[in-house]
Order: sequence, then structure tokens, then C-alpha cells
Amino acid sequence: DTGVSQDPRHKITKRGQNVTFRCDPISEHNRLYWYRQTLGQGPEFLTYFQNEAQLEKSRLLSDRFSAERPKGSFSTLEIQRTEQGDSAMYLCASSLAVDYGYTFGSGTRLTVV
Amino acid sequence: AQSVTQLGSHVSVSEGALVLLRCNYSSSVPPYLFWYVQYPNQGLQLLLKYTSAATLVKGINGFEAEFKKSETSFHLTKPSAHMSDAAEYFCAVSASGYSSASKIIFGSGTRLSIRP
Repeated sequence: DTGVSQDPRHKITKRGQNVTFRCDPISEHNRLYWYRQTLGQGPEFLTYFQNEAQLEKSRLLSDRFSAERPKGSFSTLEIQRTEQGDSAMYLCASSLAVDYGYTFGSGTRLTVV
Repeated sequence: AQSVTQLGSHVSVSEGALVLLRCNYSSSVPPYLFWYVQYPNQGLQLLLKYTSAATLVKGINGFEAEFKKSETSFHLTKPSAHMSDAAEYFCAVSASGYSSASKIIFGSGTRLSIRP
């Protein structure tokens, strides 16, 4: 068990470009979550998968954001036409069930210039 | 719906002193409650959790928390602070049971500083 892996660790992009992040959860975890964290704030829920099904998406998430989890394994989070306000740490977590708590990855820090 | 409020965005204690980080929650159903710790440039690590068993929960690194339903609180304590405890601490809540509302909601965090 190597934990939750996220790639890349850091991403700097120009405003208007598209970016994609990858998350590899713990293999036996069927639940996968994406959160966004800005400086001095707690993680903010973005979306949740159970196996390959995307069961919930935050109303705060604009149409520029999309996530997939093909075959219920790794997940990708894509942001189209990035804006400076998208600059944040994007955290992925996986779990067997909510009462187990989550195991978080180290995050991908996005900087939009 | 669930929410948490962490009282105090920054707490500073002396090494060896008691650590007390305050958390109050709101939940329309019996909650699960969590404390996570985050070190700089790292993800979050689970410290401890309450899932409707014992109300006094012990976690890693000598931390513990007590669930008080009457006060809707889940404060985090440690008898004696160590320099390595300096980090950001997040209280979090989710709905208990098998529910569609199965995500964890985080508070805004409390930064703990330790004075030598």
C-alpha cells in the first residue's frame, strides 16, 4: 500500500490554458474525493466518486471543471480555461467508507499566472 | 446539512503546556467527527475520529478529543505540547450511517504554534 498519489506536485500555467491532474487512490478504496484548499482555509469539497460513478459535484464547481474515474481506479481532474482564482492546492482522498475517515494525497499546487 | 466552526484561527502555547483546540459542529443527523493535521506542503493526516462509540477518543501523537452532544462540541486536547506539534489542525464532520451525504465537511483550521 503506497498511499494516495497525486501528480504533478506543482503546476504553473498561464491563464486560459487547460490543466489536468491525476490521482491514484489506495487500491482497495472504492470512494474517491477531490477537494480544493486555498491559503488559510480548510479543504473545500469539489466532487466524489464511488467506484466509477460520480455521485456528487459541488454547486460551487463551474462548468470549466470536470472529473473522471474510468474503471473505478485512478481519477483525473481537468480545469479548462484556467483563471487566476483557480490557483489553489487540489487534494485527492480515498476511503472505504466515511466512518473510516479519508486518506489524503500530498496534493497538486496549481499556480495560474 | 453539516458544518463545523473552529474557534481561534491561531493558538500559541509553550512547550510542555496543555493544548486545547476548540471545535463546534452542526448536524441534522448524528454526526461522525474527525480531527486532521496538516504539516506545511503536505496533505492531511487523520489524528482521530468519533463514530458513535466511546465519547472520549484517543488518537495519534498523544491527542484526544471528547464528543459532547449537549454542547455540540468536539474539542482536541493534548496534555503536554511538543515542538513537533506545530501544524494546522482541521476539525471535520460528516453524516453518520449509509447516506448520500457521505462527504466530510472541514472547518477553516487552527494554526498551532509552540513556543520554546
